[in-house]
Amino acid sequence: AQSVTQLDSQVPVFEEAPVELRCNYSSSVSVYLFWYVQYPNQGLQLLLKYLSGSTLVKGINGFEAEFNKSQTSFHLRKPSVHISDTAEYFCAVSAYGNQFYFGTGTSLTVIP
Amino acid sequence: DTAVSQTPKYLVTQMGNDKSIKCEQNLGHDTMYWYKQDSKKFLKIMFSYNNKELIINETVPNRFSPKSPDKAHLNLHINSLELGDSAVYFCATSAGALTYEQYFGPGTRLTVT
Repeated sequence: AQSVTQLDSQVPVFEEAPVELRCNYSSSVSVYLFWYVQYPNQGLQLLLKYLSGSTLVKGINGFEAEFNKSQTSFHLRKPSVHISDTAEYFCAVSAYGNQFYFGTGTSLTVIP
Repeated sequence: DTAVSQTPKYLVTQMGNDKSIKCEQNLGHDTMYWYKQDSKKFLKIMFSYNNKELIINETVPNRFSPKSPDKAHLNLHINSLELGDSAVYFCATSAGALTYEQYFGPGTRLTVT
């Protein structure tokens, strides 16, 4: 079975500062990893995904994430955040033929 | 055109009623999902359909019944609504298996009073 842990439920950060949102997963098989963003009162949209290949994945809006198999992590980073990045961020894991699990979410608040 | 649409956007109803939420996609995707997001933002998959066939049926009360009349539609019918059903329900689609990106609808906020 797979599971996803997002270690921080809330992350406040000042505008133009860097941010890291942490995600750890557990799985007995190879997994596929995703980060989704949910802006207020909207559905989720994909930021980036890791299926295979390079462990550093670049996504939209300047976000990137690094897959670390030994630490079973997939942390999301952005070097300089904007007010518009304020949203809920979800890490998710899936394995072929199995289900899709979302983490509990991290609320990112960018402070002017 | 909206890729994944849901109707209604808001639904307020009383306990014991029966209601439906509709989902339509124009992406030509084979797989559609229903998710429930509770007040703490926790997302849980409820159902998944592939080419009109049910492939994932999580442990949800049998008061919830998905219906897929065709590949472009996946509706959620809920019988005998309870207070605990209050949540935001999201429809999503993907081109295929779980390695593919999921596209989410805007959500339906259900409030049971």
